[in-house]
Amino acid sequence: AQTVTQSQPEMSVQEAETVTLSCTYDTSESDYYLFWYKQPPSRQMILVIRQEAYKQQNATENRFSVNFQKAAKSFSLKISDSQLGDAAMYFCASGSARQLTFGSGTQLTVLP
Amino acid sequence: DTGVSQNPRHKITKRGQNVTFRCDPISEHNRLYWYRQTLGQGPEFLTYFQNEAQLEKSRLLSDRFSAERPKGSFSTLEIQRTEQGDSAMYLCASSFSSPSRGGAAGADTQYFGPGTRLTVL
Repeated sequence: AQTVTQSQPEMSVQEAETVTLSCTYDTSESDYYLFWYKQPPSRQMILVIRQEAYKQQNATENRFSVNFQKAAKSFSLKISDSQLGDAAMYFCASGSARQLTFGSGTQLTVLP
Repeated sequence: DTGVSQNPRHKITKRGQNVTFRCDPISEHNRLYWYRQTLGQGPEFLTYFQNEAQLEKSRLLSDRFSAERPKGSFSTLEIQRTEQGDSAMYLCASSFSSPSRGGAAGADTQYFGPGTRLTVL
């Protein structure tokens, strides 16, 4: 069974500053994906960034980047130059093409 | 491309009634997934289709739940004899597969619909 742990239920960041959200996972699969999704209040889940486990290079997507530590099974998300629109619940997910296991989420507040 | 759509967006029903939800995936996505999300939690996997074949079912999917994807396009999720514990957001997602690792960009990434919020009174 796969597990995903997000140990920070809530985080806050000042606008224009940088914040890092933590995620650890456990899987027995050798080939898997990792994702970060954001879910604004009452709105649908939006893909932020994805990482293939076989790739050593950390994924980046504009202001969003990850720190993927495969041996430690850690997958943190860094948001640079935080904007008010980044405020949302962020979910880390791990899995295969057949199913994903999600963490319990981190609620990010961006302070003006 | 209009994204994944789900209908209805909200459903209120009385305990014991049957309900059915519909999901229309992104066109040409051959994979479709259902998840359930309760308040303050991450989504939990329910079931997965590749084309019309249901290939994975979670233990969360009790006998009262059934899902179909008859022509490999849209899917329906039916809950029979609803219980108050079924109250949740039901999310649908879709993806496309690539024949090889590192193939088409974005392969195997799940894109989610807006969900159907079910309230069982």
